[in-house]
Amino acid sequence: AQKITQTQPGMFVQEKEAVTLDCTYDTSDPSYGLFWYKQPSSGEMIFLIYQGSYDQQNATEGRYSLNFQKARKSANLVISASQLGDSAMYFCANLYTGRRALTFGSGTRLQVQP
Amino acid sequence: NAGVTQTPKFQVLKTGQSMTLQCAQDMNHEYMSWYRQDPGMGLRLIHYSVGAGITDQGEVPNGYNVSRSTTEDFPLRLLSAAPSQTSVYFCASRVTSGGNYEQYFGPGTRLTVT
Repeated sequence: AQKITQTQPGMFVQEKEAVTLDCTYDTSDPSYGLFWYKQPSSGEMIFLIYQGSYDQQNATEGRYSLNFQKARKSANLVISASQLGDSAMYFCANLYTGRRALTFGSGTRLQVQP
Repeated sequence: NAGVTQTPKFQVLKTGQSMTLQCAQDMNHEYMSWYRQDPGMGLRLIHYSVGAGITDQGEVPNGYNVSRSTTEDFPLRLLSAAPSQTSVYFCASRVTSGGNYEQYFGPGTRLTVT
């Protein structure tokens, strides 16, 4: 079965520092996509960043970057210059060819401290 | 564009009651899906649809029915509510081709079954 693992239930980071949220995945499919979503306390799911399995470069979106290590099957999210508004749950997810929907990890709760 | 809309935002049901959660999108997306999110967990797929008239089961389909008569609407029916169905329900949509796999989520429906 396909699986996404997020091993950090909770993380703390000081404001303005960088933080890495871990995500590993398990697939034998050569074609897949990796996603990160943010879920603030208000509950909505906010798309942050996407990485395709054939993309040669790591994806970046503003302060978010995805550290994609294909051989290790990891897709860690790096948030640079953390802000108080970054405090939220963060979910890693992937989409496999032939599977119609995202498989989510259990999430990491990030708290940014002033 | 309104994006993905869900109604109601909150609902309380008694065990055995039935109801329909509404989901609509105005982006002409072929693909729509329903997820549930239980406390402290990631989202799990209930049902999905790749176009009008086509639906299929996801990871946790028991106790739920769906239909897709139009591209825009994808209602989720609870046949006989049980306390185990207390959860937050998210509807999502995306295109199915073109390389943009971003999934757009609705704001969620918080359902409590007593």
